[in-house]
Amino acid sequence: GEDVEQSLFLSVREGDSSVINCTYTDSSSTYLYWYKQEPGAGLQLLTYIFSNMDMKQDQRLTVLLNKKDKHLSLRIADTQTGDSAIYFCAERRNAGNMLTFGGGTRLMVKP
Amino acid sequence: DTAVSQTPKYLVTQMGNDKSIKCEQNLGHDTMYWYKQDSKKFLKIMFSYNNKELIINETVPNRFSPKSPDKAHLNLHINSLELGDSAVYFCASSPDLPGNQPQHFGDGTRLSIL
Repeated sequence: GEDVEQSLFLSVREGDSSVINCTYTDSSSTYLYWYKQEPGAGLQLLTYIFSNMDMKQDQRLTVLLNKKDKHLSLRIADTQTGDSAIYFCAERRNAGNMLTFGGGTRLMVKP
Repeated sequence: DTAVSQTPKYLVTQMGNDKSIKCEQNLGHDTMYWYKQDSKKFLKIMFSYNNKELIINETVPNRFSPKSPDKAHLNLHINSLELGDSAVYFCASSPDLPGNQPQHFGDGTRLSIL
């Protein structure tokens, strides 16, 4: 997606932390989401954050939002091989329910 | 119990044919969507539909048309299929309110044009 950008690839070792970054351009974004897609499967919602929040933590997942820089990150603590997948960030703008997705970051976790 | 289900999972057909992909949601959601994911994994919204309005992404060719027989279904009809239509098509749904409700996705339909 041209309005939401992510790096294409991230490789980490099992047990390390992973940080997946996302930048967006629309300041009217209300909610920002992280989805996970495993091979051959649909998109699974991981977490989301409202635009007036800075941080949200959910078990091994931490989302950080820098609204000034329009930067979103997803940190996965103690990354496991089962975390290997493509991770998409998505923004929901003020008008309507439609989501604009980033291009996805392929996370590879090495044993 | 599958929340958003699409059929078929795989669809292989020839160029020029007309085909449909079905989508059903049992979540009682108000709005349904169709997305296209290309070979590079880019996801693009195609349509958003609820009983109030249909929102169409202007880049979608008019060979694509959504049909909603009722609130729980949004089918995708494609006429005169072209090679570039090969992709994975995802259906999704969400409630209109409250505003923080995320979209729930189906498992996708992989369309291959020969």
